[in-house]
Amino acid sequence: DAGVTQSPTHLIKTRGQQVTLRCSPKSGHDTVSWYQQALGQGPQFIFQYYEEEERQRGNFPDRFSGHQFPNYSSELNVNALLLGDSALYLCASRFGFRGSSTEAFFGQGTRLTVV
Amino acid sequence: QQQVKQSPQSLIVQKGGISIINCAYENTAFDYFPWYQQFPGKGPALLIAIRPDVSEKKEGRFTISFNKSAKQFSLHIMDSQPGDSATYFCAASRAGGYQKVTFGIGTKLQVIP
Repeated sequence: DAGVTQSPTHLIKTRGQQVTLRCSPKSGHDTVSWYQQALGQGPQFIFQYYEEEERQRGNFPDRFSGHQFPNYSSELNVNALLLGDSALYLCASRFGFRGSSTEAFFGQGTRLTVV
Repeated sequence: QQQVKQSPQSLIVQKGGISIINCAYENTAFDYFPWYQQFPGKGPALLIAIRPDVSEKKEGRFTISFNKSAKQFSLHIMDSQPGDSATYFCAASRAGGYQKVTFGIGTKLQVIP
């Protein structure tokens, strides 16, 4: 059973460009969250998707947007990249948005470097 | 606003010793407190978690102590091993619904032989 898979694993972009990161949740999971982890920091919540809708959003600008597909996979899009967007982007999935399930499984992340 | 404060940020322990990491939270709505372990180049992996209705939870060499009145919780790693060297994050969330996980800053643990 594959866990949470993210692609690509590494990415280098130029300031001002746009980037799309992809996530496939763990089998059976229907809720996907995205986190940004800057070097030496804890992950910061970006947003969460369930039933193809954004359900909750952290303190991130509108340059960060996302999408969830009918098969529960998800994309994170970042427009007008800034040097400060360089970070490890983590996807987490869990099952049971309205249930009591709380355990979230993380992928190994996409390392984005903006130059 | 840092809702989960974690200390120390780095920790060096000798093999066989006890590693202790402390966390404090502010939001009394939090009702689920997981600890994550992260190795370089990997995503965080759930290590152990506790709910506020218990004061202690033990799984193998890992123990969480929870003090609801003080809004503090800690991770104890008994008989620390070099393989435990990693970054540890305490976290907090609300069970169910539109929950997100709020992480501490992390503690880089190094266990030396």
